[in-house]
Amino acid sequence: EAGVTQFPSHSVIEKGQTVTLRCDPISGHDNLYWYRRVMGKEIKFLLHFVKESKQDESGMPNNRFLAERTGGTYSTLKVQPAELEDSGVYFCASSSPQQETQYFGPGTRLLVL
Amino acid sequence: KNQVEQSPQSLIILEGKNCTLQCNYTVSPFSNLRWYKQDTGRGPVSLTIMTFSENTKSNGRYTATLDADTKQSSLHITASQLSDSASYICVVSLTYNDYKLSFGAGTTVTVRA
Repeated sequence: EAGVTQFPSHSVIEKGQTVTLRCDPISGHDNLYWYRRVMGKEIKFLLHFVKESKQDESGMPNNRFLAERTGGTYSTLKVQPAELEDSGVYFCASSSPQQETQYFGPGTRLLVL
Repeated sequence: KNQVEQSPQSLIILEGKNCTLQCNYTVSPFSNLRWYKQDTGRGPVSLTIMTFSENTKSNGRYTATLDADTKQSSLHITASQLSDSASYICVVSLTYNDYKLSFGAGTTVTVRA
């Protein structure tokens, strides 16, 4: 069974540019989560999808961040325009409705210069 | 202030030795506590999940304990191996089926031959 995959693995952009991160959850997992870890800090929740619906987006830092999950399969997280403080590792995780365990992807390392 | 505090921040042990990591949390109400292992460049992988009614749970050489009264948990690694070198993250979930997790900053364990 394929795990959670994320693309790209690394991204280096300049301040003011736009970046789109993609997450492909484990097949059949209705729950999809985005998390972020900025340097020196703990991993923090961004938002939670159940299928294509946003269940909880209370962790999204501001309106420069837009997450979508059209069709309830893969998800994208767009940052526009990117700021220096957006640098960090963005993790995606998924879980089935019957399981509590969240399976994490390898993360996308974003560096905003 | 983070609701999940871990100690020590890092530690170095010799291969074959045991070690214990600590986690204190203030999250309330509390549903379950998880320990994750994160290898460098990878996403976190679940080791154990304990509900508030469980005192201990093992996964191979990893044993987690929980004291819900004092809000403390520990992760004990027995007979450490080089592959145990990783970051170990304590994660608390508020309520059952509430997937909004609170993460500790992690303890970085380095096992040396």
